[in-house]
Amino acid sequence: DTAVSQTPKYLVTQMGNDKSIKCEQNLGHDTMYWYKQDSKKFLKIMFSYNNKELIINETVPNRFSPKSPDKAHLNLHINSLELGDSAVYFCASSPRTSGSSTDTQYFGPGTRLTVL
Amino acid sequence: AQKVTQAQTEISVVEKEDVTLDCVYETRDTTYYLFWYKQPPSGELVFLIRRNSFDEQNEISGRYSWNFQKSTSSFNFTITASQVVDSAVYFCALSEARVESSYKLIFGSGTRLLVRP
Repeated sequence: DTAVSQTPKYLVTQMGNDKSIKCEQNLGHDTMYWYKQDSKKFLKIMFSYNNKELIINETVPNRFSPKSPDKAHLNLHINSLELGDSAVYFCASSPRTSGSSTDTQYFGPGTRLTVL
Repeated sequence: AQKVTQAQTEISVVEKEDVTLDCVYETRDTTYYLFWYKQPPSGELVFLIRRNSFDEQNEISGRYSWNFQKSTSSFNFTITASQVVDSAVYFCALSEARVESSYKLIFGSGTRLLVRP
């Protein structure tokens, strides 16, 4: 019954490695997002996809590459991990926004990434 | 630029006290949405409320209530008769203008609420 799920929940890895975080939503939503929460709890958007198309791409290093195989999945691949990438990464989804309405974003449980 | 300010970094209350979490926002948009999310110690982000800029009616949901005042650009959140389970970090957020079918949530820095028994 999980609405937005992420795997893994915890990820510990060495600097320089490449890793992926997976996100899936079963809400039938068209739009998915990645947010980063740093050690001070500050939350900032990284990307958004609508129906597999990249819509929002914040100032994120090229080492971060989102991939959406279908509208229910949005994965985040990170190359050449750095110490500063340590954070909690949240996936979210929202229904297709129509007219002037803005729908709610529902968040996954988060993935805590630790780079050693 | 859009901005959300939660000036209270941490609040500590004793169970059954009422507590208000402040949120002040800045935006040039005439249409926008405001949100509150709760992040309990387990870490997930739980949606609490969404309010659009045209609806200034206060809202009450059980022990939770929200006071939206456009004149002061504030969207404050009150918990009545707080309980230990209310202990969490609470985030206020503002939706930035839509880009096609997506929009950014601009989050405040969060207020950590500790409810002591």
